[in-house]
Amino acid sequence: DTEVTQTPKHLVMGMTNKKSLKCEQHMGHRAMYWYKQKAKKPPELMFVYSYEKLSINESVPSRFSPECPNSSLLNLHLHALQPEDSALYLCASSQGLTGPYNEQFFGPGTRLTVL
Amino acid sequence: QKEVEQDPGPLSVPEGAIVSLNCTYSNSAFQYFMWYRQYSRKGPELLMYTYSSGNKEDGRFTAQVDKSSKYISLFIRDSQPSDSATYLCAMSAENAGGTSYGKLTFGQGTILTVHP
Repeated sequence: DTEVTQTPKHLVMGMTNKKSLKCEQHMGHRAMYWYKQKAKKPPELMFVYSYEKLSINESVPSRFSPECPNSSLLNLHLHALQPEDSALYLCASSQGLTGPYNEQFFGPGTRLTVL
Repeated sequence: QKEVEQDPGPLSVPEGAIVSLNCTYSNSAFQYFMWYRQYSRKGPELLMYTYSSGNKEDGRFTAQVDKSSKYISLFIRDSQPSDSATYLCAMSAENAGGTSYGKLTFGQGTILTVHP
């Protein structure tokens, strides 16, 4: 099973709202990722977790707050977003971070619209 | 110059054609190469994952890596309308350290349309 699930599929929020995106994998992977993808662009890395610890933060604004409650779950908490944050948010997982273990499997994404 | 260059297309071919998709890269540290297929408004789907130079085949798909030329290709034989999607190449470095851990560097993606 190479499935990464994400909820919700679609989310519309106002600039003052607080919401969360959720991601789950049951492949026993120890690395999990959040990406942001704008239309007609490749995915852009936001955060990397390894063994439930934040490994990389690609200088993401603090209105995005990641959380890894356990090895299967990854959340992205959203607060005071801007309309330009509207995008497809993708979660991915891999066995590890290096070499052949960095084969990343993506979820279907959450399409976020900020009004 | 971008680390990974990929022609965005769009590429339009008739059903049954052989499709060739390509990426070039400049960073010799890249050792692992991936091809993803992404349908509109969906997440990327991993098609091929390769390490060494040479060919790797999986059904109608063949991934080719030429490290000496820093060039990778994906061939699709007997293309079908269901192959219409954006194809993304991605690559990662061997034994990356520090802030490169876990990072994939993507090409811009090639939009492919296979018409009946």
